Amino acid sequence: DAMVIQNPRYQVTQFGKPVTLSCSQTLNHNVMYWYQQKSSQAPKLLFHYYDKDFNNEADTPDNFQSRRPNTSFCFLDIRSPGLGDAAMYLCATSRAGPDTQYFGPGTRLTVL
Amino acid sequence: RKEVEQDPGPFNVPEGATVAFNCTYSNSASQSFFWYRQDCRKEPKLLMSVYSSGNEDGRFTAQLNRASQYISLLIRDSKLSDSATYLCVVNNAGNNRKLIWGLGTSLAVNP
Repeated sequence: DAMVIQNPRYQVTQFGKPVTLSCSQTLNHNVMYWYQQKSSQAPKLLFHYYDKDFNNEADTPDNFQSRRPNTSFCFLDIRSPGLGDAAMYLCATSRAGPDTQYFGPGTRLTVL
Repeated sequence: RKEVEQDPGPFNVPEGATVAFNCTYSNSASQSFFWYRQDCRKEPKLLMSVYSSGNEDGRFTAQLNRASQYISLLIRDSKLSDSATYLCVVNNAGNNRKLIWGLGTSLAVNP
């Protein structure tokens, strides 16, 4: 089945220790997104790739970086996690244009 | 004014009830509209896209009123498994690849 996969599902890190979250897709979609979602809040877009074109949101902290080495994979790097970065991180994909976004199961990040 | 507004609820209804959720959006240039469902601690999943003519999928009916910039979702014959948060989502008219999310409406269906 075509899908969006995220690894790991749960990640525990220490304050300030870099962490990388992974997303892969078999949908062959052009666009890949990273969202941060905290409890009782809507998903907050951090950035997205349209093919290799990176689009950062104006309010995404510099602490968050992303890489997309090929169509299938996209990574979220958090360089120095703070306690406020504890959240669910959601990867999504879509075809180009105003299309439905399909989400992976998310990675729940805990910062100690 | 928020770009996408929803009543946060919670809505508590008995099984079998009909429940309606409403959503308003601020940008009249928006073109695509969706309802997503999110279970506790899970990812959002597309429930249905919303078309100008209205659309129905089983017990779920979505309506769009462009003149009033208003979207609705009607759930008939509620099931326990319908308990979730329902997110109203609208495309960003300035950038078609981006979506604008409502905060969601929480529904609890009780036995």
